[in-house]
Parts: sequence; C-alpha cells; structure tokens
Amino acid sequence: DADVTQTPRNRITKTGKRIMLECSQTKGHDRMYWYRQDPGLGLRLIYYSFDVKDINKGEISDGYSVSRQAQAKFSLSLESAIPNQTALYFCATSDATGLSRNQPQHFGDGTRLSIL
Amino acid sequence: AQTVTQSQPEMSVQEAETVTLSCTYDTSESDYYLFWYKQPPSRQMILVIRQEAYKQQNATENRFSVNFQKAAKSFSLKISDSQLGDAAMYFCAYRSAKDDKIIFGKGTRLHILP
Repeated sequence: DADVTQTPRNRITKTGKRIMLECSQTKGHDRMYWYRQDPGLGLRLIYYSFDVKDINKGEISDGYSVSRQAQAKFSLSLESAIPNQTALYFCATSDATGLSRNQPQHFGDGTRLSIL
Repeated sequence: AQTVTQSQPEMSVQEAETVTLSCTYDTSESDYYLFWYKQPPSRQMILVIRQEAYKQQNATENRFSVNFQKAAKSFSLKISDSQLGDAAMYFCAYRSAKDDKIIFGKGTRLHILP
C-alpha cells in the first residue's frame, strides 16, 4: 500500500460545486502539505499543517480550506469550485524533527481536478 | 523570501549522453537542504537526489550527481548516460532549516532522444 494516499485520483465537476480531496498517510509524519501544480508554474503551496491543531496558509490559499482530522488525515476543500482551480493537486508529508530535516517530502500520486 | 529558479523550461539530450539541468536559488539563510525531484508521465513525485548545505561534497546517486556551489547559490543536476526512462519533468526544491518552508522551482521538462 502507498505511504501517502490521495482520493480521488481524478475528478471532473462543475463550477459552483463543493469538492473535497482527501489525503491519508501511514508514515507517522506530523507535517502535511497541500500543493497545486499548473503547467509552467511548478508546485505552489496551498496549506500546510505541522500537527493536528496547527493549520497555516501557504502561497495560494484563497478559495481553499483544509481540515486536519487526525495525524494521518489532511483534507482539502474547494467550497465553490471555479474553472481556474483546474489543476493537479498533491498531498505531501514530511518528518522534520532534528536530524531528519534532510529527508525529502513524501508525495501522494496526485488528484487531477477538472472544473467545467 | 526564498526563491528557486529553473531557467530551462525544456531540454533535450541524446540517449547515452550527459545533460545538466540548472537551478539557482536565493536565500539569506546559511542552513538549508536542496532536492531534485523527478516527475514522469505517471505524475508521481520521485526523489532523485538531496544535498545538505553544510556539506561541501557534492551528492551522487548512481548516474545522477549535483554541482553544488553554495556561494553562487547554484544547484545543478547532471545526468550521465541518459536513458529513455529519464524523460520526465524535473523540479528543484529548497527546504529551509529555520522554518521548514519548502519552495519548488517551475520545473524543466527533459526529453531523451533515441
């Protein structure tokens, strides 16, 4: 089983709909992140969480919200989807305690979201 | 604020040849970590190589190596003996040791010519 699981893998929906993307991890990492990837723009950080009670805005948080339901779960919501939120969305985890700072983030396989 | 720049949106290399992907970054911090990720058409994000800023020795992983120039804030990736499976998007990433902020470059799409 994958260490970081994102659901759904693909989703097509209509403008104005509420969408939730889910992420769960079995790595035991405290830190979780949501990114969106657009062609030519790389990965941009939407929200991140360093533990269950911690939520932080990233570079492009407008139009998004998150919930950290447990250490292992971090969901991303689009309250009212719009076409320019069409993108590939990644969840990632990391362990950033002391000596493990040189460890990379671990990514899910992404959710491709299309908003018509 | 830190920035990461990949100046080559696309590159091509002949199979079995060597190619270098460039990455520069801007930071006022002295302690940080640098990574190269590969994203094949399957869209997975796969770690290729990592470098700690406090280490002078350049990291190497099989056919992949980096040229880390801390003073110049440069972190290029060299792929030797290029293979068809190396075709992918490559992202350079910076991780701050201070606040754990992670910043990605915009990526370089690498094509391998048979």
